[in-house]
Amino acid sequence: EAQVTQNPRYLITVTGKKLTVTCSQNMNHEYMSWYRQDPGLGLRQIYYSMNVEVTDKGDVPEGYKVSRKEKRNFPLILESPSPNQTSLYFCASSLKRTGNYGYTFGSGTRLTVV
Amino acid sequence: DAKTTQPTSMDCAEGRAANLPCNHSTISGNEYVYWYRQIHSQGPQYIIHGLKNNETNEMASLIITEDRKSSTLILPHATLRDTAVYYCIVRVVNTNAGKSTFGDGTTLTVKP
Repeated sequence: EAQVTQNPRYLITVTGKKLTVTCSQNMNHEYMSWYRQDPGLGLRQIYYSMNVEVTDKGDVPEGYKVSRKEKRNFPLILESPSPNQTSLYFCASSLKRTGNYGYTFGSGTRLTVV
Repeated sequence: DAKTTQPTSMDCAEGRAANLPCNHSTISGNEYVYWYRQIHSQGPQYIIHGLKNNETNEMASLIITEDRKSSTLILPHATLRDTAVYYCIVRVVNTNAGKSTFGDGTTLTVKP
């Protein structure tokens, strides 16, 4: 089944403890992106990647890192998580970097930082 | 990317057509209009997109005005399962369509 898989689905962690949220797609998509969703603020883009080894900042990149060493994987790294990073995170991908392709989203990761 | 404006919420009776408007008055000629929906806290789901012409698929129809400054998503026979937040976004057609901004969307409630 064509899909975007995020892990874990739920995570509770403590302030300052490094964590990685994984994202993997099996559709050979070039473009991948991370969003966070907070009540009243909608979906905000964190980072995106046009292709392998090409990443760029979205609207809210502070406190996050990403990497794209392989086409299928786009992990989101929080080096030193803080409570304001408590949020619902979504990974998305699309076939090409150009605009004529819709996104496929993962099921989400609900992160709580205490 | 152009900004979009949508009503915060709308109601629709089950079985009736739901017409969700979106304003994108600053859209440029090389930007597509996309619609997604999000049911509860699941991942958003792609519905439909278009550039100039009206589009239809198994889920919905998209009507884009001639000047492209606004569009309407039509769910022809809304069901209770169509209750969701609907997002209208624009995305550049060619090269480096990197950033993609979602607004607050429209919360559609389908009532029995």
